[in-house]
Amino acid sequence: DVKVTQSSRYLVKRTGEKVFLECVQDMDHENMFWYRQDPGLGLRLIYFSYDVKMKEKGDIPEGYSVSREKKERFSLILESASTNQTSMYLCASSGGPNQPQHFGDGTRLSIL
Amino acid sequence: QKEVEQNSGPLSVPEGAIASLNCTYSDRGSQSFFWYRQYSGKSPELIMSIYSNGDKEDGRFTAQLNKASQYVSLLIRDSQPSDSATYLCADLGGNQFYFGTGTSLTVIP
Repeated sequence: DVKVTQSSRYLVKRTGEKVFLECVQDMDHENMFWYRQDPGLGLRLIYFSYDVKMKEKGDIPEGYSVSREKKERFSLILESASTNQTSMYLCASSGGPNQPQHFGDGTRLSIL
Repeated sequence: QKEVEQNSGPLSVPEGAIASLNCTYSDRGSQSFFWYRQYSGKSPELIMSIYSNGDKEDGRFTAQLNKASQYVSLLIRDSQPSDSATYLCADLGGNQFYFGTGTSLTVIP
């Protein structure tokens, strides 16, 4: 089975802090994704990556950056956290074209 | 920009009934579709994929794809209370997924 591991289930940070969310997958997948999910808005794509050191903006990249130094790890960075970034953050990976995405357990992030 | 539309519900069915969940998509060229189930407070988990017109069955679940009408549906037979969740439809374009906002299903014992 594919295993996608997110570093924290719950995280509380303060406004203005730099926040790192880590995601690791164990299936040698090329593609990795970061979403946020808010009630009534569904899953919104923040960034994705097709390969090491490669990144593409999704639908809502503002206020976020990503890093993919190794194939198995994809990090989401909130450069200066704001209260409107309080959300559930979901990492996913997929093996390539026509392959499903597999999700981690999610990180519920609260910015105070 | 691809769009995937789902009725948000909530959809309520009695235990043992058939639950029917529907999804429409905007891109006539789309080829691959997925259904995910998401329990409250949890992450989405894959139920089924479908790539060809027609039906695909997996246990109590049947996915249906009609490319001419641009809709995908998921039927759940013999619904159980444990099927109560939000169901997400996804359209795969290249390597990127486009998700609907989900339909909330409640199965009443």
